[in-house]
Amino acid sequence: EAGVAQSPRYKIIEKRQSVAFWCNPISGHATLYWYQQILGQGPKLLIQFQNNGVVDDSQLPKDRFSAERLKGVDSTLKIQPAKLEDSAVYLCASSFTASGGTDTQYFGPGTRLTVL
Amino acid sequence: GQQVMQIPQYQHVQEGEDFTTYCNSSTTLSNIQWYKQRPGGHPVFLIQLVKSGEVKKQKRLTFQFGEAKKNSSLHITATQTTDVGTYFCAVRKAAGNKLTFGGGTRVLVKP
Repeated sequence: EAGVAQSPRYKIIEKRQSVAFWCNPISGHATLYWYQQILGQGPKLLIQFQNNGVVDDSQLPKDRFSAERLKGVDSTLKIQPAKLEDSAVYLCASSFTASGGTDTQYFGPGTRLTVL
Repeated sequence: GQQVMQIPQYQHVQEGEDFTTYCNSSTTLSNIQWYKQRPGGHPVFLIQLVKSGEVKKQKRLTFQFGEAKKNSSLHITATQTTDVGTYFCAVRKAAGNKLTFGGGTRVLVKP
């Protein structure tokens, strides 16, 4: 079974530039998550999708971050404009059940973003 | 908001020794998951605990959910170099809610 795919793996940009990350979840997984993991910290949920609808985006900085999952499969996360404090690893995860209740989350390899 | 504390933050262990890491929540939990993240890697699911007082074992790893469902522990016996990494607990306040990760315990093993 193929895992969660993410691209790019690394990205370096200057502050105020824009950047986009892509995620393709495990086939058949209804729930998709984007996490931000700052160095030395645990992952923090940015947004959770159930199919193509948003379940939770309470911690997403909506003035600069946006995400979509138009067809209920792959997803993109965008930052515009980027700030220095956005430097982190952006992890995508997916889980099987639509509720995302007590289900296991499978993480992708992440995209390491450096903002200069 | 949800407060999840993991202690210790760092754990230096001699190979072959045992150690325990703890996860404490300020509120009663629906369930708790544990993940392991190797250096440079991504979190990998280890176990999920749902019932009060539940104990689960995976080879040298023993996971326990507290009776009050507010805390959990991970005990590793006879530590090996392959145990190096950061162990995160992730909690749900209620079924269907988002997972909140703790800050992790970074484990270093001295051969």
